[in-house]
Amino acid sequence: AQTVTQSQPEMSVQEAETVTLSCTYDTSESDYYLFWYKQPPSRQMILVIRQEAYKQQNATENRFSVNFQKAAKSFSLKISDSQLGDAAMYFCAYRSAPNQAGTALIFGKGTTLSVSS
Amino acid sequence: DVKVTQSSRYLVKRTGEKVFLECVQDMDHENMFWYRQDPGLGLRLIYFSYDVKMKEKGDIPEGYSVSREKKERFSLILESASTNQTSMYLCASSFPGVETQYFGPGTRLLVL
Repeated sequence: AQTVTQSQPEMSVQEAETVTLSCTYDTSESDYYLFWYKQPPSRQMILVIRQEAYKQQNATENRFSVNFQKAAKSFSLKISDSQLGDAAMYFCAYRSAPNQAGTALIFGKGTTLSVSS
Repeated sequence: DVKVTQSSRYLVKRTGEKVFLECVQDMDHENMFWYRQDPGLGLRLIYFSYDVKMKEKGDIPEGYSVSREKKERFSLILESASTNQTSMYLCASSFPGVETQYFGPGTRLLVL
């Protein structure tokens, strides 16, 4: 069975600085997807960024980028130029290969990010 | 924009009550999911459905059942609520073969 591990329960960063959230996973599959989801306090969970395992190029989305190391099974999220609105709980998630009915996400336990001014 | 709504944001129930949590999505997604979120445990899958009237158990189905009579609606049922079911419940939906899941706002359930 696949597992996702987020080893940092809490992280903090100052505005305009850069922070990296760690995620490792365990799988025997070669085709899968990885995600970072953001859950602001009392607000809806939203997708931040996703990475296809078959792509070597790291995904980027504005100030958010990932460092995907397939051999090491590592998938870290880098937030550049941090903003107060980035304060949230961040979840790393894994999904097995597509085209399988109802394939669910496997989540890590989350990292709470606080941003100070 | 994809919209996933849940019937209640906050719910307080008594032990032994039958509880219904409803989720509705407006994007014609085949897949729908129910997760439970607890501090320090992340999100855990309770049940999912990949079509009307179809359901599959997730990692923690004990004490729960589901119903999917219409494509847009997926209900989570607590047959006899217990205090250990106090939690945040999140619904999500997606197209089959499409990786991204869209989440509802969550229902925070307190069982007394």
